[in-house]
Amino acid sequence: AQKVTQAQTEISVVEKEDVTLDCVYETRDTTYYLFWYKQPPSGELVFLIRRNSFDEQNEISGRYSWNFQKSTSSFNFTITASQVVDSAVYFCALNGNNRLAFGKGNQVVVIP
Amino acid sequence: KAGVTQTPRYLIKTRGQQVTLSCSPISGHRSVSWYQQTPGQGLQFLFEYFSETQRNKGNFPGRFSGRQFSNSRSEMNVSTLELGDSALYLCASSLYRGPYLNTEAFFGQGTRLTVV
Repeated sequence: AQKVTQAQTEISVVEKEDVTLDCVYETRDTTYYLFWYKQPPSGELVFLIRRNSFDEQNEISGRYSWNFQKSTSSFNFTITASQVVDSAVYFCALNGNNRLAFGKGNQVVVIP
Repeated sequence: KAGVTQTPRYLIKTRGQQVTLSCSPISGHRSVSWYQQTPGQGLQFLFEYFSETQRNKGNFPGRFSGRQFSNSRSEMNVSTLELGDSALYLCASSLYRGPYLNTEAFFGQGTRLTVV
């Protein structure tokens, strides 16, 4: 079975601070994909980033960056210089066998 | 390019009734998945369709069913509604390129179902 754990439930930061979201996953698959999605109040899940299991290179895309460590089964996500528009629920997800397993989500509140 | 479209956006039904939700995927996407989101259980996978065939099914009772048409549009049906079926139902489409070549899933805005 696949499992995704996001330990923090709600995180509040002041605008322009960095915020890091932790994600730990469990899977028996040797090939899998990891994702981060953002869910604003409108309800739609917005795709942010994707990483496959055989590429541990960490990257930066604009204000987003991620740290994938296969040895610790972690896929952490950082928003740099947070903005009020970043306030949303963020979900970490694992794709195996054509289905997504989601974590419980992190409610991020950016205070102006 | 149009995104994933789900209809209706909101629905109120009575216990015991049945409901059908619709999803139009992004053009060219042949894989369509459905998820249920509730405050208690979070996001849970319902089923996935590809080329009109159900490839995967989550751990939901048989009251939950779905289908996919030749144009990749999908519907899900819930029969004999229960209060616990109240949830946000999200549809996602993706461009399936083969085993272990999954691409990201794009989600619709969901259908908010309230069972009273």
